[in-house]
Amino acid sequence: EIVLTQSPGTLSLSPGERATLSCRASQSVSSSYLAWYQQKPGQAPRLLIYGASSRATGIPDRFSGSGSGTDFTLTISRLEPEDFAVYYCQQYGSSPPSITFGQGTRLEIK
Amino acid sequence: EVQLVESGGGLVQPGGSLRLSCAASGFTFSSYSINWVRQAPGKGLEWVSYISSSSSIIYYADSVKGRFTISRDNAKNSLYLQMNSLRAEDTAVYYCARASGGYSSSYWGQGTLVTVSS
Repeated sequence: EIVLTQSPGTLSLSPGERATLSCRASQSVSSSYLAWYQQKPGQAPRLLIYGASSRATGIPDRFSGSGSGTDFTLTISRLEPEDFAVYYCQQYGSSPPSITFGQGTRLEIK
Repeated sequence: EVQLVESGGGLVQPGGSLRLSCAASGFTFSSYSINWVRQAPGKGLEWVSYISSSSSIIYYADSVKGRFTISRDNAKNSLYLQMNSLRAEDTAVYYCARASGGYSSSYWGQGTLVTVSS
C-alpha cells in the first residue's frame, strides 16, 4: 500500500504570503490519481485539485498543484484569511486497489 | 444543487452493528461512484470503502474488510454502509462523498458520528 507523507506538519504564514505544501509518496503515483483537499474545523473536506494539477469547480486560481512520480506540491500563491485550514493529499493505487490520504498539513496564521 | 445527507450514526457497544445511510439528490446518482471516508476525533481522513455506479466494483480498506459492507440502491438514490463487529477504533465521523476524476471526491455530506463505547 502506498503511504503519503505530507510536510511540513504545520506551516505558519501571514496573509499575502506564498504557501508551499508537499506530499511525498512511498512509491510512484499516477498523476491522474493525486488529489488535494482543504478542511476547516467542523466542516467536511473540500476538493481543491484533482489529477495533480486540475482545479476543481469554483476553486480560485491562487491554488495550484504540480508534481509527478513520488513528489507533489500544492501552492497557494497569495494567502487569503479564509485559506488557513488543514490540507490533505490523497492518492488511488491499483495494487491492491485502495485510496490513501496523507496525514495533513495545518496552515496557521503567523 | 448536489446534496449528500448521511444518517444512522450513534452510540453502539463494542461488537455491535450499525447501518449508515447516505441520501443523494441534485444529480444522477446512478451515474456516479461513491466513497465512504471517516475521520476519528481530532485525527486525519481515512478512506473506508468505494462502490462504482453499478455496484460492479467494490473496494474496502484493510481496516474494515470482512466487517463492513457497502451497497447502494440506485432506484432510491441511496448508499449504505453496514458495519458489524464494531471496535473502539471505528469511532469517527463518517462521510459519504461523490467520486469524480481519479477517484477523488468532489462533493461531501456533512457526516454522521459513530461512537463505539461501552
